[in-house]
Amino acid sequence: NAGVMQNPRHLVRRRGQEARLRCSPMKGHSHVYWYRQLPEEGLKFMVYLQKENIIDESGMPKERFSAEFPKEGPSILRIQQVVRGDSAAYFCASSPPGQGAGTGELFFGEGSRLTVL
Amino acid sequence: SQQGEEDPQALSIQEGENATMNCSYKTSINNLQWYRQNSGRGLVHLILIRSNEREKHSGRLRVTLDTSKKSSSLLITASRAADTASYFCATTNNAGGTSYGKLTFGQGTILTVHP
Repeated sequence: NAGVMQNPRHLVRRRGQEARLRCSPMKGHSHVYWYRQLPEEGLKFMVYLQKENIIDESGMPKERFSAEFPKEGPSILRIQQVVRGDSAAYFCASSPPGQGAGTGELFFGEGSRLTVL
Repeated sequence: SQQGEEDPQALSIQEGENATMNCSYKTSINNLQWYRQNSGRGLVHLILIRSNEREKHSGRLRVTLDTSKKSSSLLITASRAADTASYFCATTNNAGGTSYGKLTFGQGTILTVHP
């Protein structure tokens, strides 16, 4: 049973370009979470999605960032017009239906490390 | 300052010694979890303790929770070089009755175990 799969693992973009990060949750999991980790810091919640629905995006920057989790395919975190401050590791986590960190653990991917030149 | 702060920020010990890391938080919680992160890797769940529990064990791990002091500790006994990693506490709180995976992480403790 494959774990949470994220790609790309490393992404380099120049300022002003777009970054697309993908996340396939564990098999049977329908809840996806995105977190951002700045260097030497803990993870910060960004967004929580279920299939075709954004449940909580309270941690998303108001501009340039968007997330989706379509009926088919992986969840996508999209960052438009990247700036140097977007350089970070972006982690995806998943949980099965009816279970989240309120009742159990989250399963994290290996992360996508974005570097903005 | 943010919910879930760990101390010490860094801990360096010899193999075989015990390692204790502490975590403090500010708001009421549903549960508290500890995660481990090896350098450049994702997070791995270690243990979860609910707000109505005071102590929990898993292998060489022992977690305590004191809700009156809003603090938790993670003890790793008989440490090994392979335990070298960053350790994070993470909480979920009662706000809005949510029970999903909106975790608030601490800054982490970097543990180095020397062989």
